[in-house]
Amino acid sequence: GQQVMQIPQYQHVQEGEDFTTYCNSSTTLSNIQWYKQRPGGHPVFLIQLVKSGEVKKQKRLTFQFGEAKKNSSLHITATQTTDVGTYFCAGIKAAGNKLTFGGGTRVLVKP
Amino acid sequence: DSGVTQTPKHLITATGQRVTLRCSPRSGDLSVYWYQQSLDQGLQFLIQYYNGEERAKGNILERFSAQQFPDLHSELNLSSLELGDSALYFCASSVGGRGRGSPLHFGNGTRLTVT
Repeated sequence: GQQVMQIPQYQHVQEGEDFTTYCNSSTTLSNIQWYKQRPGGHPVFLIQLVKSGEVKKQKRLTFQFGEAKKNSSLHITATQTTDVGTYFCAGIKAAGNKLTFGGGTRVLVKP
Repeated sequence: DSGVTQTPKHLITATGQRVTLRCSPRSGDLSVYWYQQSLDQGLQFLIQYYNGEERAKGNILERFSAQQFPDLHSELNLSSLELGDSALYFCASSVGGRGRGSPLHFGNGTRLTVT
């Protein structure tokens, strides 16, 4: 079945530094979504990417969809303590209808 | 506030018992999804309903069942509970049924503790 893997599982970041988390699918995706779950909270939708090679920015967050539509990345610049949480990617297989979540990257920020 | 309402917030019960988790989707959303999240784990997809009909099934145990009612609210029934069923159960809703272009809006979850 379709698998969506995220690396790293854990990311310890010094406040002010940049980091990137990656999402890889075993199959080609029709689209990919990113969610953020704060500690003790529920996942919140951040963004959706649909086109091959698409890049979208939200303030300090940059999301990219790979050319082959099998991987995606989230890059955060100048990390802040408000960025703490778990970031999940979720993808739908091309011609499929089930949204599959990756295992998430848990981000901890050192002040 | 996502607009998705889940009740109860917390549930503590004993092994072997049966519980029902309830979810009211966002106004206008036709799809309801159920996810299980164990401590510090990812989101395990259980089942999806669209406008009252089952649309997709994930890793849902036979002891678990769900349904979506005509008013679009949904219930997840968990029976013969085991210690390993202790987890956070999320309900999410979306406008469409196939996920494309339909972000999921999650409720606050029901924390189930089986003792």
